[in-house]
Amino acid sequence: ETGVTQSPTHLIKTRGQQVTLRCSSQSGHNTVSWYQQALGQGPQFIFQYYREEENGRGNFPPRFSGLQFPNYSSELNVNALELDDSALYLCASKIGGQDTQYFGPGTRLTVL
Amino acid sequence: AQSVTQPDIHITVSEGASLELRCNYSYGATPYLFWYVQSPGQGLQLLLKYFSGDTLVQGIKGFEAEFKRSQSSFNLRKPSVHWSDAAEYFCAVVARYSSASKIIFGSGTRLSIRP
Repeated sequence: ETGVTQSPTHLIKTRGQQVTLRCSSQSGHNTVSWYQQALGQGPQFIFQYYREEENGRGNFPPRFSGLQFPNYSSELNVNALELDDSALYLCASKIGGQDTQYFGPGTRLTVL
Repeated sequence: AQSVTQPDIHITVSEGASLELRCNYSYGATPYLFWYVQSPGQGLQLLLKYFSGDTLVQGIKGFEAEFKRSQSSFNLRKPSVHWSDAAEYFCAVVARYSSASKIIFGSGTRLSIRP
C-alpha cells in the first residue's frame, strides 16, 4: 500500500467528451505527477504539480490539464477526448526534492 | 536524451529457476534508477532503487539489481522465482529538468512462470 488512491477505477467516455480523474496523495507529499500508460507500453509522463503549480510537462497537448489542492488531492482533466486517450492513468506523489515516487492503482479510461 | 531500454518483451521461466531481466539506460549524469512491478490491472509497486553507493541493491520480494556504469545497465535478478512473480516489470530512470523531475520508463518485460 502506497497511500495513494485514485478514483474512479474504470471510466467509459465517448469521443469529444471531457473527463476528470482524481488522486489523493500521501499526507505531506507536496508533489504529484500524472502518467499515461497505453496498453502494452510503459507509463509516459504527462505533467507534475508542486505546491499547486505545474512545474513540468511532457509531450501532451494543452487539452490535458491538472489541478492540485492544498489537501494533497489532485485532478487530471482531459478535454475533447480522442480514441487514443484510452489508457491507464496513474498518479504518483512524493515529497518535493526527493526522487522516489509512490504510485496509485490507476484509473482505466476507455474512449469509444 | 534520456532513455531506458528493456530488450526482452516477454520471458518465461520455470518456477524455482533463477531470473535476470535486462535494463540499459542512457543518461548523461549519475542516474537514479528504479525497478517497478505491475500486476495485471494494477498500479506500480516499487521493487528497489539505486541512487548511489553500493552498486548491488536489495529490494522487496527477494529481488536485487546491480548497477554497472561501464555497461549502462541495471539488471534485475532473483535466485528462485515463485508463481506469484508473474507480472510486468519496468525499469526506470529519473530525469531532472528545471524545477521538476519525471520518471522515464522502459517498455517493460512481461514475466511468465512455467509450473
